[in-house]
Amino acid sequence: SAVISQKPSRDICQRGTSLTIQCQVDSQVTMMFWYRQQPGQSLTLIATANQGSEATYESGFVIDKFPISRPNLTFSTLTVSNMSPEDSSIYLCSVPQTGNYGYTFGSGTRLTVV
Amino acid sequence: GENVEQHPSTLSVQEGDSAVIKCTYSDSASNYFPWYKQELGKRPQLIIDIRSNVGEKKDQRIAVTLNKTAKHFSLHITETQPEDSAVYFCAAPTRLSGSARQLTFGSGTQLTVLP
Repeated sequence: SAVISQKPSRDICQRGTSLTIQCQVDSQVTMMFWYRQQPGQSLTLIATANQGSEATYESGFVIDKFPISRPNLTFSTLTVSNMSPEDSSIYLCSVPQTGNYGYTFGSGTRLTVV
Repeated sequence: GENVEQHPSTLSVQEGDSAVIKCTYSDSASNYFPWYKQELGKRPQLIIDIRSNVGEKKDQRIAVTLNKTAKHFSLHITETQPEDSAVYFCAAPTRLSGSARQLTFGSGTQLTVLP
């Protein structure tokens, strides 16, 4: 299955600033998914990142707040913009595994906004 | 889209006892049901999954059962050990375009195995 390198692993940011999270996959994948996991909660899908097209956002998430780039089939970034303490969460990228129905997750980025 | 409900939210068992976590889903077209284990501060890890063409799958102390008619699936852990303590999530896929799909997760179950 694919191996994902996600960074940074954690960061503490000032409110009003932005943070860009990167995911690098060791193989080409058509779709990458970005999830948010708020403290003590489940994983919620933010958006689906497609190479060569705009990302598809889920209800409650907008491009101005969470811009996504997908320049090629192995890389994607998620930016959390104009951060507030409510954005403090773990952010994870994920890709479907090839050959089966499974999914692989990045190691996550633990974001704290102060 | 898919709606996944998971119960219970917390579960405490004595070491050596069994634990069962249940999930229901809404989309009858869903055909793949994974279970993830998330330890504190770590990413979710796939522990077992089942396709819709079988009713049960086992891997050592872990098993998953699927009832497509009732649209529910369950995780069974036997002979629990303290290292089984974690948050467990079920999930089901929502179909996107073509063969692509995304996962919808249950709300999670905090399992605590008491020594």
